[in-house]
Amino acid sequence: AQKITQTQPGMFVQEKEAVTLDCTYDTSDPSYGLFWYKQPSSGEMIFLIYQGSYDQQNATEGRYSLNFQKARKSANLVISASQLGDSAMYFCAMREGLYGGSQGNLIFGKGTKLSVKP
Amino acid sequence: NAGVTQTPKFQVLKTGQSMTLQCAQDMNHNSMYWYRQDPGMGLRLIYYSASEGTTDKGEVPNGYNVSRLNKREFSLRLESAAPSQTSVYFCASSVSCAFFGGACSGANVLTFGAGSRLTVL
Repeated sequence: AQKITQTQPGMFVQEKEAVTLDCTYDTSDPSYGLFWYKQPSSGEMIFLIYQGSYDQQNATEGRYSLNFQKARKSANLVISASQLGDSAMYFCAMREGLYGGSQGNLIFGKGTKLSVKP
Repeated sequence: NAGVTQTPKFQVLKTGQSMTLQCAQDMNHNSMYWYRQDPGMGLRLIYYSASEGTTDKGEVPNGYNVSRLNKREFSLRLESAAPSQTSVYFCASSVSCAFFGGACSGANVLTFGAGSRLTVL
């Protein structure tokens, strides 16, 4: 079974509008972290935002916020006021075993390609 | 500040040839990783090195070998390249979780190199 599922292969959003990219995860570990990375067409992987399983509040970083619903095992990325430069692939990733046993590696989803229309 | 540097950026090989992808980081990180990215597959872990002197298999290790040369450098070797190894390869590094008894701050972010595009004909 997939550990990270991103069900939207591609999405379009109008410039200046908000968009939500979906991510669901599967783990039995009570301590885990969820990450979002952006990959523009140039190919580099850019870290955007992180949410820990025990964090009480949803993470925010500028125009990025993470809608974390622990019971539903979802960690959706919300981008407010989309810009043309937001057009990219977005990957959700998870690290398990935060409080013991983790080797540090991330498990990635297959990604969502976001296109921002002017 | 170079971060994570991978070489080469592009390489074309013939089936059966060998090559080594080089990776070096200057962030004093203990842990290093090799991922491959294929269309529609996301990033999959090939090998990782939690700390200097250790290496372990990831999800897709077959056909690859790695060497943790020192704290800075982690190389990936294809001994006999196959067309199925056509991919984009990413090296990454992070602060080690092993040094904290395996307890890993979730904010321990992986920093990636720019990627190496490999084509095997």
